[in-house]
Parts: sequence; C-alpha cells; structure tokens
Amino acid sequence: DTEVTQTPKHLVMGMTNKKSLKCEQHMGHRAMYWYKQKAKKPPELMFVYSYEKLSINESVPSRFSPECPNSSLLNLHLHALQPEDSALYLCASSQDRSGGVIYNEQFFGPGTRLTVL
Amino acid sequence: GNSVTQMEGPVTLSEEAFLTINCTYTATGYPSLFWYVQYPGEGLQLLLKATKADDKGSNKGFEATYRKETTSFHLEKGSVQVSDSAVYFCALSVGGTSYGKLTFGQGTILTVHP
Repeated sequence: DTEVTQTPKHLVMGMTNKKSLKCEQHMGHRAMYWYKQKAKKPPELMFVYSYEKLSINESVPSRFSPECPNSSLLNLHLHALQPEDSALYLCASSQDRSGGVIYNEQFFGPGTRLTVL
Repeated sequence: GNSVTQMEGPVTLSEEAFLTINCTYTATGYPSLFWYVQYPGEGLQLLLKATKADDKGSNKGFEATYRKETTSFHLEKGSVQVSDSAVYFCALSVGGTSYGKLTFGQGTILTVHP
C-alpha cells in the first residue's frame, strides 16, 4: 500500500462548528505533515509529527489542533474557524530516518476541500 | 534562508512539443530537490527527485538534473501529451533544524492542447 488517504474529501462547516480531518498511511512512515493550500498557490506547511511527537508548528492559530494517535494516523481538529480558513488541506508522510539515512521525500494524500461559511 | 524560484506561467503548448520549466534555488547546506505535479482536483504527486549534485531524476518521460554550479533543477520532457496538463511545483528540502520542511516554488500551470 503506497498511498495516503484522507477523509472526508469535502467538508462544509459553520464558524461555530467542531470538525475533524483524518489522514492515514500504511507505508510504515514515521513522519506526517499537515499543509494548507489556497487556490493557485503552493502548499503551506502547518505541522510536522516525527515518531508521533509534534516537531514543527508553523505558528498556526490554536483553532487548528493536530493529533497523532499512532504512527499510521494523523488528525486535524477544527474549531471556530474563519471563512479565510477555507482551503485544500493536504496530509503527507515520509519515511523519516533509517540506518542513519534521512528520507525526506514526502507522499501526499488527495486532500480535504474545506469551506467555512 | 531557503527559496525556490520557478518560471512564471502559465505555459501553453501543443501536443508533442518540447517542455522546459525552469527552477533555481538558494539553500543553506546541501538540499534534496524535487518536482511535484498536481492534477486538477487532486493532491501532489512526487514526479522525480535528486539528492546530490549531478544526479538526474527521471519518471514518465520527465527529466531534471541537479546542477550545483548554477543552483538549478530544470524540468524537461521531449514530447508532452494532453494528459500532462497540470500544475508543476519545484521544491527543496534540507536537514538540520529545517528538517521536515519542503520549500516550494510558486508553481507553473501547464496546459497542453491537442
């Protein structure tokens, strides 16, 4: 299995709702990432988990809360979002390290298209 | 800091034309270089990569060579198809405290007409 899956594909939520995005990979990768992508722009890194620990938080507002329950799963909990948070949210994974070698190519999921009303 | 500059698009070509998308970079240390492709409505797919100077990455007829002397990683394809229409992102990754971060170029939209 060489893919990253994300659910749901589309999500519409109000500014007072609480929702979660889910990401799963079964490639044995130990690093997982959340990105936000606006139309016609490159992805912007939000969070990095390495060996299930949060290693990078790119100063993301607290209304976004990541969680890594185990090495295969990554969640992004959403609460009190703003309309400007509407975007494509991409999850990615990479092998991280093995035998002293760093593997930094990232494999992306198809994304969740989020609309905040 | 690290940065990637791609040629501005959009690029419009006829089927079977030759494609070049320029990519230059600045980086601290020795980066790994990548080309990602994003088809409409999808996530990013890794197209090819190179991890050290003079490495050539290739996949699906696309090629790019890591040129340290010119800090470039230009993407080429000899004969494009309509199915190659997509957005192409050049990206780099370094280790150290920036480990885990991909620095992307702005993306180049490619449209191929029959």
